[in-house]
Amino acid sequence: DARVTQTPRHKVTEMGQEVTMRCQPILGHNTVFWYRQTMMQGLELLAYFRNRAPLDDSGMPKDRFSAEMPDATLATLKIQPSEPRDSAVYFCASGLVTDGQPPYSNQPQHFGDGTRLSIL
Amino acid sequence: KNQVEQSPQSLIILEGKNCTLQCNYTVSPFSNLRWYKQDTGRGPVSLTIMTFSENTKSNGRYTATLDADTKQSSLHITASQLSDSASYICVVGHQAGTALIFGKGTTLSVSS
Repeated sequence: DARVTQTPRHKVTEMGQEVTMRCQPILGHNTVFWYRQTMMQGLELLAYFRNRAPLDDSGMPKDRFSAEMPDATLATLKIQPSEPRDSAVYFCASGLVTDGQPPYSNQPQHFGDGTRLSIL
Repeated sequence: KNQVEQSPQSLIILEGKNCTLQCNYTVSPFSNLRWYKQDTGRGPVSLTIMTFSENTKSNGRYTATLDADTKQSSLHITASQLSDSASYICVVGHQAGTALIFGKGTTLSVSS
C-alpha cells in the first residue's frame, strides 16, 4: 500500500533551534496538507498545497513557521525559532483532487504517522 | 461559529459489544462529513466520507449515519474488537470546500 512518509518520527530540541520536518506524499497525489495535533486543540490545519503551490497557510504562525514544496516528492515544514508551545504532533496528508474541485472535496486524505516534536 | 462537537469524550466497552459515537456540528453551509480512526502513535485513517445527499455509509463493521437537517452524525461499531481501541474523529467540510472543521475525538477502549 502506498503511504505518506514523514521524517523524523520524533524530534527533541531546545527552544530557539530551527526544526525541519519532511513529508513524502503518495506518488501521483497533487494536494498536500500540514496539520498540528495537541491534546488541547485536537487537529488544526496549518497549510495546504496544490500542485506544489501554497493555497492557504492562514493557520500557520507566519513569523516563525514556513512551508514549502521544492518538488512533487517532498514537502517541508520549518519552525525558526522554535518555542515550547510548538510542542505537538505534526501530520502531513496528501490527496488527489481533479481540476476545478476544491481541496476539501469528497476525496480522502491519506495521513502520515506524524512527527512528534518536543521543544524544551 | 462553525463547530464540531463529539460525544462521549471517552468510552469503554467489552469486546463483542456494539457502540455508537456521536457528532453534532454547526458548520454551514455543509459539504461533507468524514469519520477518521486514529490508533495511538499513528496518523488518522479515513473510515467514511458522506456528502449532503447521503444518510448512511458502511465500511465493514463501521456504519456512519448523517442527518443533515438536525446536523448530527453517528458512527456505529458492530461486534467490537480489541483493535477498535482508538480515537475516532469527526470532520466536517464547509460547502465552499475551503475549510475542514475537526472535532476533538472520542477515545474508545475495547477490553476483553
